[in-house]
Amino acid sequence: GNSVTQMEGPVTLSEEAFLTINCTYTATGYPSLFWYVQYPGEGLQLLLKATKADDKGSNKGFEATYRKETTSFHLEKGSVQVSDSAVYFCALRNQAGTALIFGKGTTLSVSS
Amino acid sequence: ETGVTQSPTHLIKTRGQQVTLRCSSQSGHNTVSWYQQALGQGPQFIFQYYREEENGRGNFPPRFSGLQFPNYSSELNVNALELDDSALYLCASSLDGASYNEQFFGPGTRLTVL
Repeated sequence: GNSVTQMEGPVTLSEEAFLTINCTYTATGYPSLFWYVQYPGEGLQLLLKATKADDKGSNKGFEATYRKETTSFHLEKGSVQVSDSAVYFCALRNQAGTALIFGKGTTLSVSS
Repeated sequence: ETGVTQSPTHLIKTRGQQVTLRCSSQSGHNTVSWYQQALGQGPQFIFQYYREEENGRGNFPPRFSGLQFPNYSSELNVNALELDDSALYLCASSLDGASYNEQFFGPGTRLTVL
């Protein structure tokens, strides 16, 4: 079945450090892939997405590339800010197009 | 444009009770999906409603049921509450059911079962 595995947190970084959060998936076919962010006390917000192999999603300085050969969709940012502190979820959409399948989430904490 | 809203924000129930959670979809959206997010976990898909019909269901028992109304708002009902039902319940609205349109999430309802 479909599943998403992402690196365990928490990830603790200093401001302006480079960020990588690893995400790999298992799925039938070529699902659309997503990164969502959840700030404290808020719902999930779509950060970026990619719908086919080799697509690069990007938003607010974050990037992720859909790698079919390694079934991965790692999230990167060149210089994190304190305001990036949140929980990040990698997800894929199921074949039926109805559900998002999420990883367990990675907590990022950025200090100044 | 009004986003997705959920009520109540927090709820405390005891084992065996029943609960109803509510969701108002974003303006123009005809599809609502419900997710359960246990503490420290990612959201898990419960079911989706499209034009008042259940359009897909995750691995949840029948005591989890739902409704969608003509204005596309939705309810999630849980009967015979168990301790493990304690979680954040998220609803997401989107366009056109099983499609590739973005799902927009509400802030969630935090349910505690004692």
